[in-house]
Amino acid sequence: QKEVEQNSGPLSVPEGAIASLNCTYSDRGSQSFFWYRQYSGKSPELIMFIYSNGDKEDGRFTAQLNKASQYVSLLIRDSQPSDSATYLCAVTAGKSTFGDGTTLTVKP
Amino acid sequence: DTEVTQTPKHLVMGMTNKKSLKCEQHMGHRAMYWYKQKAKKPPELMFVYSYEKLSINESVPSRFSPECPNSSLLNLHLHALQPEDSALYLCASSLNQGGDYGYTFGSGTRLTVV
Repeated sequence: QKEVEQNSGPLSVPEGAIASLNCTYSDRGSQSFFWYRQYSGKSPELIMFIYSNGDKEDGRFTAQLNKASQYVSLLIRDSQPSDSATYLCAVTAGKSTFGDGTTLTVKP
Repeated sequence: DTEVTQTPKHLVMGMTNKKSLKCEQHMGHRAMYWYKQKAKKPPELMFVYSYEKLSINESVPSRFSPECPNSSLLNLHLHALQPEDSALYLCASSLNQGGDYGYTFGSGTRLTVV
């Protein structure tokens, strides 16, 4: 079992729709959870972090964490073509472990 | 300054060459990292420096040699690389080694070994 697993992509949504990206992790001692966005040929960029159970909203992005289920998700509302990228989930327990990423395409 | 600066952006080297990648940050971060990323794969951790000391080496071949001259600088010395070492090399920094507040990545060095 991988330490951090993301829903297999690619994921394609129409412009204006909600994109839902999911991630599960195996280490119950994990304390910090991150979403990075990586455009093709570019480096990862931190877009959201969450530490406590529940939801955290930042603009069109909402991160959700459920430690009991070892599950973290990212919702992107009103998806735009500029959101097309690979989204990496990272979980920290002493060091950060990345998932394999989910590639999102938003079609105009 | 909220950036991590990497140089060069592109590097082509032969298998007998010696080259160095450089990374600099002025955010006061005390942990710095080297990652290797192949196409369509997640970043793969190579080395971690915490307070200028090497704390993690993920069993990286000795042809890769990291160096942390001070709290703002991180180098990766390359020698006798193989074509399979061609990849995007990413430097990152974080407030502490655990990365509890996330990483700031540099723009990367695209390395091609010929």
